[in-house]
Amino acid sequence: QVQLQESGPGLVKPSQTLSLTCTVSGGSISSGSYYWSWIRQPAGKGLEWIGRIYTSGSTNYNPSLKSRVTISVDTSKNQFSLKLSSVTAADTAVYYCARGGNDVPFDYWGQGTLVTVSS
Amino acid sequence: SYVLTQPPSVSVAPGKTARITCGGNNIGSKSVHWYQQKPGQAPVLVIYYDSDRPSGIPERFSGSNSGNTATLTISRVEAGDEADYYCQVWDSSSDVVFGGGTKLTVL
Repeated sequence: QVQLQESGPGLVKPSQTLSLTCTVSGGSISSGSYYWSWIRQPAGKGLEWIGRIYTSGSTNYNPSLKSRVTISVDTSKNQFSLKLSSVTAADTAVYYCARGGNDVPFDYWGQGTLVTVSS
Repeated sequence: SYVLTQPPSVSVAPGKTARITCGGNNIGSKSVHWYQQKPGQAPVLVIYYDSDRPSGIPERFSGSNSGNTATLTISRVEAGDEADYYCQVWDSSSDVVFGGGTKLTVL
């Protein structure tokens, strides 16, 4: 059974870079042909896809966030990571990592981690 | 950009059938996935590729997709089905798109 777990600071100052890591267990992140995505949800609002990385290392980002987002993978640690630069209060949200993306459904999700942007 | 439109809320009595719609331009030509999200929890996939059910999801959950509307149908609704439901597609221009979500209330 694949499991995902987000980790990272819960508080980030405005204009700084938000950094989160997703640790995958129950399977190798580099085996098979899978997409690994980040999705966020502001309090009381809907889901917003941020971006994904393929097992090959290729990435795709939400056009609205593309200039600020970097997703990378560390296969030795079975992790993939999110960096979101120049954050503002509008980036405050619960951030989820999930397996899936492109036309593939998100079948496994992390529990989510709340990131608050505030000074 | 591609937009998915869901009703903000749907209410249904226990034992009845709930239908949650997801509207989009020619959505019938795309694959639609549906997620259930209960308060404080991560979303759970309940329907994928329009009408397939993951293992562990009750047969009461079904999906259809045609024309400009996809529909998630929940038969014999139970109190435990009360949640937010999101549709999702992949679009060649917008990439991954989620609908705004529908809050299902069991009366």
